[in-house]
Amino acid sequence: DTGVSQDPRHKITKRGQNVTFRCDPISEHNRLYWYRQTLGQGPEFLTYFQNEAQLEKSRLLSDRFSAERPKGSFSTLEIQRTEQGDSAMYLCASSPGQGRDEQYFGPGTRLTVT
Amino acid sequence: AQSVTQPDIHITVSEGASLELRCNYSYGATPYLFWYVQSPGQGLQLLLKYFSGDTLVQGIKGFEAEFKRSQSSFNLRKPSVHWSDAAEYFCAVGGTGGFKTIFGAGTRLFVKA
Repeated sequence: DTGVSQDPRHKITKRGQNVTFRCDPISEHNRLYWYRQTLGQGPEFLTYFQNEAQLEKSRLLSDRFSAERPKGSFSTLEIQRTEQGDSAMYLCASSPGQGRDEQYFGPGTRLTVT
Repeated sequence: AQSVTQPDIHITVSEGASLELRCNYSYGATPYLFWYVQSPGQGLQLLLKYFSGDTLVQGIKGFEAEFKRSQSSFNLRKPSVHWSDAAEYFCAVGGTGGFKTIFGAGTRLFVKA
């Protein structure tokens, strides 16, 4: 069990550019979650996958955001036409998916939009 | 509406002193409750969880929390704080399956020598 990993750990981009983040969950965890965390706040739910199916999306996830989990393993989160307000820490978590279960978090990707 | 309130933005305690971090929640169904800790530059680490049963739950690093349904609270405690406990602590509530977990804004703990 190597834990949840995220890549890259840091990303600096210019406004208007597209960025993509990757999350590798704990193997055999079939649930995967994306959160956004800004300074001084707790994580805010963005979206959630059960295997490859995206089952829920927050209203925070505008049309510029898209997430995929094509084979039910790793996931990507893409932000198109980035804005300065997108600057945040993007956290990924996974859970076993067996009823009541807890989430295990990765180290996050810190995005800075200049 | 579902929400989690952590009334204290930051707390300072002396090393060796006891600690209590407060958490109040609002949730329409049976809540599943969690405490996570986040150190600078690190992801969130699960300290403990409550699903059902004994309302006093034990976690890692010597932490415990008590679920009080009548007060809608899930306060985190530690009898003797160590300098390495300095971090940000998040209370969270979830429902069946644990998805769409809602986090509080966090309490930052400072430990003084």
